[in-house]
Amino acid sequence: QQQVKQSPQSLIVQKGGISIINCAYENTAFDYFPWYQQFPGKGPALLIAIRPDVSEKKEGRFTISFNKSAKQFSLHIMDSQPGDSATYFCAASIRAAGNKLTFGGGTRVLVKP
Amino acid sequence: DGGITQSPKYLFRKEGQNVTLSCEQNLNHDAMYWYRQDPGQGLRLIYYSQIVNDFQKGDIAEGYSVSREKKESFPLTVTSAQKNPTAFYLCASSIDIDRGETQYFGPGTRLLVL
Repeated sequence: QQQVKQSPQSLIVQKGGISIINCAYENTAFDYFPWYQQFPGKGPALLIAIRPDVSEKKEGRFTISFNKSAKQFSLHIMDSQPGDSATYFCAASIRAAGNKLTFGGGTRVLVKP
Repeated sequence: DGGITQSPKYLFRKEGQNVTLSCEQNLNHDAMYWYRQDPGQGLRLIYYSQIVNDFQKGDIAEGYSVSREKKESFPLTVTSAQKNPTAFYLCASSIDIDRGETQYFGPGTRLLVL
């Protein structure tokens, strides 16, 4: 049973455009929602994270929007750059359950110059 | 230079062979994790350890084993019981289970079956 569903699987955006990736979760006990960025052949790196008591968090060109009632959260990449081309994973965890991360399936983003 | 190191970068396994993947961290983190990543898919948790000499099964532990004899080391053994071992294996660590949700990942080991 996939507890975190991510969409789309891939997207292409022009340089300067906005990339939007969506995730939906089922387990209402999740209390930590990070996004990871992964380049080919490398390990994932934490990009930005949010807790459910906040509806939005922004760090530079990256913004997480969180909708607790809909059990959805999304990543917005503003002013997308070719260097942003990577695979992005959303994840969720429960602090009381050992902080084990449950990952979405990933979104491959290609930013065209 | 702190971080997580994994070795080797590539590993080849023959039928019926056990292989061990190394994971070392010098971040002084208590918690360590092993994930498996298949092409085009997300990461799935194999095993995790909160403290030395303690570890728990994740979602896909069958065919794998781990040990945690030292704080900085968390090796993963892929046994012959794992029938489909070809994947990218990622090790991660966090400060501890209670205080640190952020997991930091190593560069990964790609395991291939001959």
